[in-house]
Order: sequence, then structure tokens, then C-alpha cells
Amino acid sequence: NAGVTQTPKFRILKIGQSMTLQCAQDMNHNYMYWYRQDPGMGLKLIYYSVGAGITDKGEVPNGYNVSRSTTEDFPLRLELAAPSQTSVYFCASSYSGQNTEAFFGQGTRLTVV
Amino acid sequence: AQSVSQHNHHVILSEAASLELGCNYSYGGTVNLFWYVQYPGQHLQLLLKYFSGDPLVKGIKGFEAEFIKSKFSFNLRKPSVQWSDTAEYFCAVTPYSSASKIIFGSGTRLSIRP
Repeated sequence: NAGVTQTPKFRILKIGQSMTLQCAQDMNHNYMYWYRQDPGMGLKLIYYSVGAGITDKGEVPNGYNVSRSTTEDFPLRLELAAPSQTSVYFCASSYSGQNTEAFFGQGTRLTVV
Repeated sequence: AQSVSQHNHHVILSEAASLELGCNYSYGGTVNLFWYVQYPGQHLQLLLKYFSGDPLVKGIKGFEAEFIKSKFSFNLRKPSVQWSDTAEYFCAVTPYSSASKIIFGSGTRLSIRP
């Protein structure tokens, strides 16, 4: 059982480049989330989705886009990378929003130079 | 705005000491409460959770937490820590009214001296 799988694990981008962080889950979860983790700041919600075709902004959505065409996949797109987007990105999923726990992927460490 | 506060940013203890990490949240309605642990270089893993019922919940590795509704608190405890408990600990809340959002505290880094 793979759980939540994120790729890549590490990436270095130059300012202005774009990339897509991949996230897939095999638990048939409806809810999926993208967080960024910065030192001493905890996890901040970027975007979330409550089902295929439905996405919504979290606390820090600027500079990012998402799509949810299938239940399994929830990619996060950075269009014009900026140094402020240097962070560790975690994808998570849960069966629903209430009375369930979230399962996290291994994270993607992104550096923008 | 809904928020989660963790009072201790960095806690340093010796092995066998007792641990209590504070967590308070700002939301008046029904909530789900969680503690997650992140070992160095790893992803977040669930330590314990509270949905309803007995406010004293037990999790993995000897951890427990007590939900005190009147104080909006969900403090994490362990009677005797081990070196392997060195990690970062995150308190998290899901308000029922916005169940699609898991709100995390800023985390507490726990360092255990062998």
C-alpha cells in the first residue's frame, strides 16, 4: 500500500522557471491538500480539494495553481518560481473532512535560486 | 481567524524526563484534534487524535493528550521520554464548520539529551 506518493523528492529551480509537483494517493480519499513547511512556521495550506473537479484556495495560494481531474492525483504547479517559494512541500489526503486523519507524503524539498 | 498556538518552540529534556507540550486553538465550535510527529528528514505521522468521547486519548509510543474544552486546549504528554522521541511535534485542528481545512500550529522542536 503506497499511501501518498510525491515526486520529485528534491528540485532546484531558477527564478522564473516553472514546474509541477506531483502527488498521487491510492487510498480512494476524497480530500487532498497541499502544504508548505517553512522553519518555525508550521504548515501553511496552499490549496485543497474535496473531490475530483473541485479545488479551493488555502492560506497561501499566490504563485501556485492546482487541478484535480481524478480522485488519485492532485498536482501543484508553480508558474514563475520565486525565491520565496523555497520550501518543503507536503501533499496529504484524507477520506473526508470530519472524523478522519490526514496521511502525508514524503515531501518535496524545493530550492529556487 | 481560526488558529492553533503551540507555546513552546524548542524544548530540551534529558532522557526519562516527563514531557508536556502545550496546544491551544481559537475556535468555539466542534473540532477534531490531532498531534502529528515529524522525525528528522521524514514526513508527518499521526501520533494521536481526538474526535469525541473520552477527553484523554492515548496514542503511539506512550504519548497521550487531554482535551479540555473549557480551555480550548489539547496538551500532549509523555511520562518518560526517550532519545528516539527527538522530533518536531505539530498540533492540528479541523473545525467541523470548515472540515476541509486542517489548521496546524507552528510546531515544537523536541531535543532529548541521551
